[in-house]
Amino acid sequence: GAVVSQHPSRVICKSGTSVKIECRSLDFQATTMFWYRQFPKQSLMLMATSNEGSKATYEQGVEKDKFLINHASLTLSTLTVTSAHPEDSSFYICSASTDTPETQYFGPGTRLLVL
Amino acid sequence: AQSVTQLGSHVSVSEGALVLLRCNYSSSVPPYLFWYVQYPNQGLQLLLKYTSAATLVKGINGFEAEFKKSETSFHLTKPSAHMSDAAEYFCAVSEAGNNRLAFGKGNQVVVIP
Repeated sequence: GAVVSQHPSRVICKSGTSVKIECRSLDFQATTMFWYRQFPKQSLMLMATSNEGSKATYEQGVEKDKFLINHASLTLSTLTVTSAHPEDSSFYICSASTDTPETQYFGPGTRLLVL
Repeated sequence: AQSVTQLGSHVSVSEGALVLLRCNYSSSVPPYLFWYVQYPNQGLQLLLKYTSAATLVKGINGFEAEFKKSETSFHLTKPSAHMSDAAEYFCAVSEAGNNRLAFGKGNQVVVIP
């Protein structure tokens, strides 16, 4: 149980285009979902926290207009990277938590390459 | 704000030898502590967690960690390394009641046959 999926697993796009990444909790309802960014050989950095039906809370330094997060249901959150640039290339990982808030279940990640 | 320090980005261990990964935390309130493992191009898998119950926590794959408040540490150990333990290991901390995780920089474990 507690499986989180992400789609796509990898995406290549041209600079200036927008990319949407989906995060789904497959067998549980996620009250909260998190989005992380991981650069090569580095740790995960929390970008934002989202609760179903409300606006996401962004970490300091994360541009909310560039990284649009929508948490439309208890099983789906999306991250849209708007007007992507090469410096946005990274590994994006989502996680989801339930009524046991200290436990997060992580998705397999999405590798974004912006050319 | 909470934070975690993991020293030594790369750790080499012989197959069958003890695995020891060090984690020290900083938190202004009682912490929750976690160890995660990440295999190449995959997400994170929870190895074990401490949430203010028993200080010695046993996890999956034979790993365990001990919470030592006096040392602000949560070191991860496994008595005998297997080749399958080669992966990246992350320590993370959150404050009780606040599920925002702060991760350490990670340890890349290499198991030598």
